[in-house]
Amino acid sequence: AQKITQTQPGMFVQEKEAVTLDCTYDTSDPSYGLFWYKQPSSGEMIFLIYQGSYDQQNATEGRYSLNFQKARKSANLVISASQLGDSAMYFCAMIRSGGYQKVTFGIGTKLQVIP
Amino acid sequence: DAGVTQSPTHLIKTRGQHVTLRCSPISGHKSVSWYQQVLGQGPQFIFQYYEKEERGRGNFPDRFSARQFPNYSSELNVNALLLGDSALYLCASSRGTDHSYEQYFGPGTRLTVT
Repeated sequence: AQKITQTQPGMFVQEKEAVTLDCTYDTSDPSYGLFWYKQPSSGEMIFLIYQGSYDQQNATEGRYSLNFQKARKSANLVISASQLGDSAMYFCAMIRSGGYQKVTFGIGTKLQVIP
Repeated sequence: DAGVTQSPTHLIKTRGQHVTLRCSPISGHKSVSWYQQVLGQGPQFIFQYYEKEERGRGNFPDRFSARQFPNYSSELNVNALLLGDSALYLCASSRGTDHSYEQYFGPGTRLTVT
């Protein structure tokens, strides 16, 4: 079974500062993928970044980077230069390789960017 | 290109009724997954369909069913609605191959059961 743990119910960050959202995971699958999604108040899930378990480099997408530490089973999201529009719920998620593409989500972290 | 579309946007139903939610995937995507997101929680996987066949099912009762059509659109059906079925129902589409892990979500259907 796969499990995602997000221990920060809410986070505050000053505009233009960097922020790290924590995510740990548990799986017995040797091959898997890790995602982060952003969910604004409108409800739509927006894909941010993906990291495969065998990827050597940490994934980066613009201001988003995924700090992947396989031995610690952590996949923290780092947002640099926070903007007011970054205020939203952020979900860490996992998918196992092969088979069907069930995505397991954490309970989310609510990020609020302060002007 | 159009993204994933879902209809209706909002829906209010009474306990015991039946509901059908609809989803159209991104053009070229053959896989559709359904998720239930209860307020304050992350989405929970309900079903995945690929090429009109059920490929996976989450831990949901038989009151929940789905199907995928030849044009890859999908319907989620819920019978005998309970108050606990009130949630945001999200549809996600992907290419469906083993090498395509990216799922793109629609805006969701917010279901309220009274």
